[in-house]
Amino acid sequence: EAGVAQSPRYKIIEKRQSVAFWCNPISGHATLYWYQQILGQGPKLLIQFQNNGVVDDSQLPKDRFSAERLKGVDSTLKIQPAKLEDSAVYLCASSSGRGSSYEQYFGPGTRLTVT
Amino acid sequence: KQEVTQIPAALSVPEGENLVLNCSFTDSAIYNLQWFRQDPGKGLTSLLLIQSSQREQTSGRLNASLDKSSGRSTLYIAASQPGDSATYLCAVSSGNTGKLIFGQGTTLQVKP
Repeated sequence: EAGVAQSPRYKIIEKRQSVAFWCNPISGHATLYWYQQILGQGPKLLIQFQNNGVVDDSQLPKDRFSAERLKGVDSTLKIQPAKLEDSAVYLCASSSGRGSSYEQYFGPGTRLTVT
Repeated sequence: KQEVTQIPAALSVPEGENLVLNCSFTDSAIYNLQWFRQDPGKGLTSLLLIQSSQREQTSGRLNASLDKSSGRSTLYIAASQPGDSATYLCAVSSGNTGKLIFGQGTTLQVKP
């Protein structure tokens, strides 16, 4: 079974530029999560999708971050414009259902550096 | 608001030593607690998941315990090996959405 795929693996941009990350969850997984992991910290949930609907985006900086999962499969996370403090690893995870009884499987992450 | 803390932030031990990593959380109303391993440049690998009704889980040389009333969990690694070197993250699931709240991690180095 293929795992969670993310691309690109690394990205370097200048502040005020825009960037997009892509995630392909495990086949059949209805729930998709985007986490932000700043160096030296644990991951923090940015947004959670159930199929193509948003379950939780309370910690997503909506003035610059956006995410979509139009067909309930792949997802993209966009930052526009980027700030220096957005430098982090962006992790995508998926689970077969919504709720704490469903294990989350993580992708390798995208490391973003904003200069 | 749930907060998760891990102590120590970093740990260096000689090969073969038994060690304990600590995790504490502020709200005891959790569904489960998970321990993850993160290697440099890699994603998170789940090591052990303890349901709120359980006291401990074991997998090979790893044993995780959970004390909900005191808001604490420990990850015990027996006979450590250089291959155990990684960052270990503790996460709790408190709500019914599956959202995970992570600690900041403990970076472990096992020296040959």
